[in-house]
Amino acid sequence: QQQVKQSPQSLIVQKGGISIINCAYENTAFDYFPWYQQFPGKGPALLIAIRPDVSEKKEGRFTISFNKSAKQFSLHIMDSQPGDSATYFCAASMNTDKLIFGTGTRLQVFP
Amino acid sequence: GAVVSQHPSRVICKSGTSVKIECRSLDFQATTMFWYRQFPKQSLMLMATSNEGSKATYEQGVEKDKFLINHASLTLSTLTVTSAHPEDSSFYICSASAAVGNNSPLHFGNGTRLTVT
Repeated sequence: QQQVKQSPQSLIVQKGGISIINCAYENTAFDYFPWYQQFPGKGPALLIAIRPDVSEKKEGRFTISFNKSAKQFSLHIMDSQPGDSATYFCAASMNTDKLIFGTGTRLQVFP
Repeated sequence: GAVVSQHPSRVICKSGTSVKIECRSLDFQATTMFWYRQFPKQSLMLMATSNEGSKATYEQGVEKDKFLINHASLTLSTLTVTSAHPEDSSFYICSASAAVGNNSPLHFGNGTRLTVT
C-alpha cells in the first residue's frame, strides 16, 4: 500500500518531443505528489508538485496530470531538450514530509 | 531558495571504520531532516527521520546502532555509519524542510558517495 509504481524505466525522446512518465499509487491517504529531477552524482531537485484537489498543474514546459479516481498521475515534459536528460522520480506523501519515491525513469533526449 | 548542504561529497574508508556525514540547512531552520540511501540506478529509500532534540525514527530494516543519527541543532543533522562494511557502500542523501508537515517542499542535499574498501 505504501508503494508508488513508476513507468517506464527508461525513455528516449527526440529533441522537441513530449516526454511522458506515469506513476500509480494505492494508498488513498496520499495527498501530496511531487516530481523530482536527478542528475548523476547529485541530489534530487523538486520540479513540480500537485495536490489531489486539482487535475492538472503546469509550470513552464512541465505539466502534472492527476487522476484521483484511477490513483494515477503523470509528468509531461513539452518541447523536450537534451538538458532535460536525467532521472525523474515521482513521489507521494500523507501530509508529512516523509516521501515515498517511485522507482525512477531515466530520460534521454537526443538532438 | 532553500539550500541543503551535505559534506563530504565523497568518502572512501576501510572496512571496520566509522564515517560521519553532515547535513546542513544553510538558509532556513529544519526541525526535521530525512536520510535516504540510494543504490546505483535505483530509487531513494528512506532510512530515518531526524528530529531536532530527540531520537531519530528509523524505517523498518534499518539498524539504528549501525546508522547513528544526531540532530543537535535546527540546522545540522549527522549520520554516522559505524563499523562500515563494503555492503554499506552507497549514495547517502539528506533532505530537510523549512516547515514540519503540511506538505512543505523537501530540499535535498547533493549526496555523499561512500565507498568502503
